[in-house]
Amino acid sequence: KQEVTQIPAALSVPEGENLVLNCSFTDSAIYNLQWFRQDPGKGLTSLLLIQSSQREQTSGRLNASLDKSSGRSTLYIAASQPGDSATYLCAGAGNTGGFKTIFGAGTRLFVKA
Amino acid sequence: GAGVSQSPSNKVTEKGKDVELRCDPISGHTALYWYRQSLGQGLEFLIYFQGNSAPDKSGLPSDRFSAERTGGSVSTLTIQRTQQEDSAVYLCASSPRTGYEQYFGPGTRLTVT
Repeated sequence: KQEVTQIPAALSVPEGENLVLNCSFTDSAIYNLQWFRQDPGKGLTSLLLIQSSQREQTSGRLNASLDKSSGRSTLYIAASQPGDSATYLCAGAGNTGGFKTIFGAGTRLFVKA
Repeated sequence: GAGVSQSPSNKVTEKGKDVELRCDPISGHTALYWYRQSLGQGLEFLIYFQGNSAPDKSGLPSDRFSAERTGGSVSTLTIQRTQQEDSAVYLCASSPRTGYEQYFGPGTRLTVT
């Protein structure tokens, strides 16, 4: 059974700092891993999707990596801005027993101006 | 183009009543997912549809929950005999096909009194 864990649960950083959010998963038979952000009271916005055959994906100031062998993914945010304040969720889609997606509990990020 | 839409945005119902939640996926997306997010909790997978294949119902918490997808497009999640613990935000997502990026709707906030 796939379990996804995110560390830290909450993070507060000053504006301009680079930061890393961590995601670990127990089942390496993962089809893809997706990072989302969720603003309070809102739905989820997709940030990056990494297929199992890929090692990383980049979009603007965001870089996500995937290491299946160690069961880890990281989301790197460069030069953080107050607008980056949100909850960041990672989700793993498995290819054993179906393609259901398992989410981590999220990391709540606060970037101070 | 239009994103994933869900209706209603908010629903308040009395314990024991049945409710129907609707999801309109992005046109052409063959995969559709339902999730539940309880207060302070992560996203919980409920059910997944892919094209005309049998849905993956492994996440439905009880037999009071059911979902259907008509014509490979619109989906309805039905909760019978609602209980207070069913109070949550119900999120729908669609994807071009299995294993691709998921796009989320704004959710339906269900409150059972």
